[in-house]
Amino acid sequence: EAGVTQFPSHSVIEKGQTVTLRCDPISGHDNLYWYRRVMGKEIKFLLHFVKESKQDESGMPNNRFLAERTGGTYSTLKVQPAELEDSGVYFCASSPTELGGGYEQYFGPGTRLTVT
Amino acid sequence: AQTVTQSQPEMSVQEAETVTLSCTYDTSESNYYLFWYKQPPSRQMILVIRQEAYKQQNATENRFSVNFQKAAKSFSLKISDSQLGDTAMYFCAFRRGDDKIIFGKGTRLHILP
Repeated sequence: EAGVTQFPSHSVIEKGQTVTLRCDPISGHDNLYWYRRVMGKEIKFLLHFVKESKQDESGMPNNRFLAERTGGTYSTLKVQPAELEDSGVYFCASSPTELGGGYEQYFGPGTRLTVT
Repeated sequence: AQTVTQSQPEMSVQEAETVTLSCTYDTSESNYYLFWYKQPPSRQMILVIRQEAYKQQNATENRFSVNFQKAAKSFSLKISDSQLGDTAMYFCAFRRGDDKIIFGKGTRLHILP
């Protein structure tokens, strides 16, 4: 079974440019999450999709970030325009929906975004 | 606010030794899950061990075990007979009822040959 995949693995862009990160969850997983780790800081929650709907986007830093999940499959996270403080590693995770909860979130390898 | 604190930014131990990574957390919730995740240098983060807060028995997965002290809000990870492949960043994490995972800053563990 393929794991969570993310593309690209590394992106270097200039301040003011646009970048789109992609996440392909494990097939059949309804839940998809985005997290971000800024250097030296904790991994922070950004948002949670259940299928194609945004369940919780309370962690999104500002309106320069736009997440979508087309048809409840893969998800994209667009940053437009990028700022220096957006640099970090963006992780995607997915999980199934199980009765009783306690399900594991499976993480992708992350996309390292560098804004110069 | 719910927080997870890992007080050891970096640790080094000799291969085959036992090492304990510390973690404390703060929450007002009564039912939650605690995790230790491992992120090797290749960057894929994987779950090492999970503990349900309502279970008193400490979780164990092969060489990995936890010491869960609910009243003290402490959740340490013990790695026995450490191996070179255990070299990684270890994150302690807490999962709330709304599915959000709150992570600590991580402990970078080096296993020395």
